[in-house]
Amino acid sequence: NAGVTQTPKFQVLKTGQSMTLQCAQDMNHEYMSWYRQDPGMGLRLIHYSVGAGITDQGEVPNGYNVSRSTTEDFPLRLLSAAPSQTSVYFCASRTFDRVLSGANVLTFGAGSRLTVL
Amino acid sequence: TQLLEQSPQFLSIQEGENLTVYCNSSSVFSSLQWYRQEPGEGPVLLVTVVTGGEVKKLKRLTFQFGDARKDSSLHITAAQPGDTGLYLCAGAGMDSSYKLIFGSGTRLLVRP
Repeated sequence: NAGVTQTPKFQVLKTGQSMTLQCAQDMNHEYMSWYRQDPGMGLRLIHYSVGAGITDQGEVPNGYNVSRSTTEDFPLRLLSAAPSQTSVYFCASRTFDRVLSGANVLTFGAGSRLTVL
Repeated sequence: TQLLEQSPQFLSIQEGENLTVYCNSSSVFSSLQWYRQEPGEGPVLLVTVVTGGEVKKLKRLTFQFGDARKDSSLHITAAQPGDTGLYLCAGAGMDSSYKLIFGSGTRLLVRP
């Protein structure tokens, strides 16, 4: 059972370039999300999805696009990368439940470190 | 905007010492979780607290949810080098758990 798989692990981009961070989970989780982690700021929610075809914005959605065509995959797209998007990106998934309980465990991938020059 | 403030930001202690990490907010949360993150990895859930005043123990770790559900604490007894890592608290809003809000984290180093 692979859990949540993120690719690539490391990426260097030039300002203005585009790229997609891939996220796949094999746990049949309805809920998937993307966070970015910056020093001293914890994790901030970028976008999330509660099922195939359904996405919504988090705290810091500007500059990022997402889509959810299947239950398994939730790619994050940067259309025109900026130095401010240099960060470590985490994808996470869990079973969908309106009320978060101890039974709902958010499972994180290992992260993708992105540097924008 | 809901915010979670963690303190201290950094903690360096000797093996065997006790410590407490705090997570505070002016907002009420329906539940609060604690995660531990090690370098190069994603956060891993340690515990979820749901009821105001709730106390949960996980071996040498004790977690408490404030009576008003605005704050939480993590107490480690007799810390070990294996406890070293980044500790994050995360709160779920009263309306739904879609947007989990994370604190800025407490980086703990336990020296042998």
